[in-house]
Amino acid sequence: AQSVTQLDSHVSVSEGTPVLLRCNYSSSYSPSLFWYVQHPNKGLQLLLKYTSAATLVKGINGFEAEFKKSETSFHLTKPSAHMSDAAEYFCVVTGNQFYFGTGTSLTVIP
Amino acid sequence: EAQVTQNPRYLITVTGKKLTVTCSQNMNHEYMSWYRQDPGLGLRQIYYSMNVEVTDKGDVPEGYKVSRKEKRNFPLILESPSPNQTSLYFCASSAGRKGLGEQFFGPGTRLTVL
Repeated sequence: AQSVTQLDSHVSVSEGTPVLLRCNYSSSYSPSLFWYVQHPNKGLQLLLKYTSAATLVKGINGFEAEFKKSETSFHLTKPSAHMSDAAEYFCVVTGNQFYFGTGTSLTVIP
Repeated sequence: EAQVTQNPRYLITVTGKKLTVTCSQNMNHEYMSWYRQDPGLGLRQIYYSMNVEVTDKGDVPEGYKVSRKEKRNFPLILESPSPNQTSLYFCASSAGRKGLGEQFFGPGTRLTVL
């Protein structure tokens, strides 16, 4: 069975500082993993995806994530937060369904 | 433009009055899915479909029905809505029979059941 746990429901960072959003997954086989972002009152947009190619995945807007099989993690990072990064972020693992984490709300303090 | 459309975007209804939320995609995707989003719970899958005439229950199917008579359309039906179905609903589609690729999401339908 597949599942995903986002370890922080809320993260606050100052503008210009690094962002780390944590995601652990459980999967009975090699998973596909995704990060989506949802800005207030908007739909969901794909940030990046891992599908068994390179373990370090680069996405849009300077975000990247590293797949670590030994730690069953897929943490999302960005070197320098921007005000426009304030949003809800979802980690997703696939099986025959898509399994969403409960989300991490990112606040960026000016 | 490649997109997933949902209608209506906002709906206020009363308990027991049947309603349908439409979903259509123009990307020739095989996989389509419905989710509901509730605060603190993330997105939970209601139903999904891997192809025409093939539908399966997700994690929270109770109180919902779907159909997939055409590849592009995947309507969500609430036969007798109840207040606990007040939520934000998203339709999504994906290429690939098992939906392992990127999902494209519709803009969402905010449903309130009084």
